[in-house]
Order: sequence, then structure tokens, then C-alpha cells
Amino acid sequence: NAGVTQTPKFQVLKTGQSMTLQCAQDMNHEYMSWYRQDPGMGLRLIHYSVGAGITDQGEVPNGYNVSRSTTEDFPLRLLSAAPSQTSVYFCASTAGRRRGDTQYFGPGTRLTVL
Amino acid sequence: AQSVTQLGSHVSVSEGALVLLRCNYSSSVPPYLFWYVQYPNQGLQLLLKYTSAATLVKGINGFEAEFKKSETSFHLTKPSAHMSDAAEYFCAVSDSGGKLIFGQGTELSVKP
Repeated sequence: NAGVTQTPKFQVLKTGQSMTLQCAQDMNHEYMSWYRQDPGMGLRLIHYSVGAGITDQGEVPNGYNVSRSTTEDFPLRLLSAAPSQTSVYFCASTAGRRRGDTQYFGPGTRLTVL
Repeated sequence: AQSVTQLGSHVSVSEGALVLLRCNYSSSVPPYLFWYVQYPNQGLQLLLKYTSAATLVKGINGFEAEFKKSETSFHLTKPSAHMSDAAEYFCAVSDSGGKLIFGQGTELSVKP
């Protein structure tokens, strides 16, 4: 199993540009989520999905869209990039929504918005 | 609402010395707690987790953590640091929907 994969690894955007960060998992996990990591702030939840066709907002959803058309894929869209979205983005998946379930993380996408 | 506080954004130890990374939590329900490690330019990897079974939890790479309800703590320890332990460590608590709430992270440096 490849686990959780993310593309691209690095990306530089100009303010106002749009892009999609890709995330895929091959573990047939029901639950997927997106986090952003900023220095001194840990990881903060952007959006999450409890299954295909079902998404919801996390702690910092503004400026981001998601959709979940398949179990495997959970892309994150930036519609109009802003410098405040410069961050490292992690996708994670877990088999279920029980509180003790382990979340498995992808390698991350490092995004810079100029 | 749940929250996590990690005391100390940077911890430096000598190789062979005790590693102690501090984590305190706040939770309105019995907590489920996690420690993750992030090596440079990599994703997060689970070290260990507490799910209301034994209060002393053993993880990978010789790490362990003790859940202390009276102190609302879940500190991470390792008896003898190795150079390869240099990384950033995150404590997290799981909320009712299975979402993780992370602490700010602690960067561990190991001096030769």
C-alpha cells in the first residue's frame, strides 16, 4: 500500500491564482481531512469528509473548497490564493470516526504564495 | 471543548540523556490522546496513543507516555536520546467526531 499520497510536494503561486492540492489514499478509509501547519501553531483542521459526497468545515475553512466524489480522493482547492495561505498542507485519513482511531498522514505539500 | 498545550517550543538534550516533552490537555470528556513525530520534510507518524486502557503507553522507538488524569497531562519520555530522535513532536487530543486537535509542537534537538 502506498498509504496517503499528496501532489505536488512544492508549489509557488502568485496572489490571486488558483490551484488544487491532490490527496489520495489506498486504504479504503472512510474519513479524510486536510490540515495546515504553521510555525508555532501546530496543525489546524481545514476541511474533512466522513465519506464520498459528504464534507464539512474544520477550524480554518475560509479560502478553501473541497469535494469527495470517490472514497480514494480528497482534493483541496484554493480559489484565489493569498499570502496568508503560505503554509504546509497535510492530508490525513482514518478508517472510521471513533475517537481512538489513528490518522495516517501524507508527506505534505509546501505552498508559497507571493 | 478540547485543547492541548505543549510546554516548550524547543527542547535540547545531549545524546544519551533523558527526553521529556510535556503535554497538558483540556477535555470535557474522557480524552483520547496521541503523540506524533515529524522528521524533517516528512509527514506525521504516530508514536503512541492513549485510548483509556493502560495509563502507561509504550510506543515506537523506545518512547512512552503516561496519562495522569489528576494532572491533565500526557508527557512523552525516552530514557536515552539518540541523534535520530531529532524531530518535531506533536501532542493531540481527539474530539467527539474523531477530529484531532493539536498542540503547538515541540522541536527536539539532540547534541552529540
